Amino acid sequence: DVKVTQSSRYLVKRTGEKVFLECVQDMDHENMFWYRQDPGLGLRLIYFSYDVKMKEKGDIPEGYSVSREKKERFSLILESASTNQTSMYLCASSSFGATDTQYFGPGTRLTVL
Amino acid sequence: KQEVTQIPAALSVPEGENLVLNCSFTDSAIYNLQWFRQDPGKGLTSLLLIQSSQREQTSGRLNASLDKSSGRSTLYIAASQPGDSATYLCAVRGDNFNKFYFGSGTKLNVKP
Repeated sequence: DVKVTQSSRYLVKRTGEKVFLECVQDMDHENMFWYRQDPGLGLRLIYFSYDVKMKEKGDIPEGYSVSREKKERFSLILESASTNQTSMYLCASSSFGATDTQYFGPGTRLTVL
Repeated sequence: KQEVTQIPAALSVPEGENLVLNCSFTDSAIYNLQWFRQDPGKGLTSLLLIQSSQREQTSGRLNASLDKSSGRSTLYIAASQPGDSATYLCAVRGDNFNKFYFGSGTKLNVKP
């Protein structure tokens, strides 16, 4: 059974803290994605990676960075957390094929106080 | 830039009713379209994927159609059940092959 796991389901941090969100997939997928989901705004792509050490900015990369040192692991970093980064963060992975779906992790609900 | 819209934003129906959820997109140059289900506080689960060359896909009580030329897709749910209550999202895989564009979803409530 395919699986995407995220390091935390719930996280509470303070303004200015450095925050790491980790995602691991066991499907040997080339592509990995980080989204944030907010009411009324849907899913918005923060960053994606199509290979180890490769990354591309999505629609809202400001305030975030990413790291992909191994194929199975994709990390999202909030360099200095702010209250407007309070959100649900979803990780996903997929292969390159046109018939291949995205597989999602359970999400991390981040609250920045 | 691709934009995906879902109407209605919320829908409440009695159990047993057949229903249709709508998804529209602005750029017809897509590789595929997917419908996902999301339960509260959870990740997304893929329901159906339609390749750009296909017109529809079926899985159990679900049927999804795709009309690329008009930029529309529908998700048909037959004989709805309370367990179908969730948010349904559609997503298109765009011309940048690795980018997926999501609608805001339709929140479905099926009343017993």
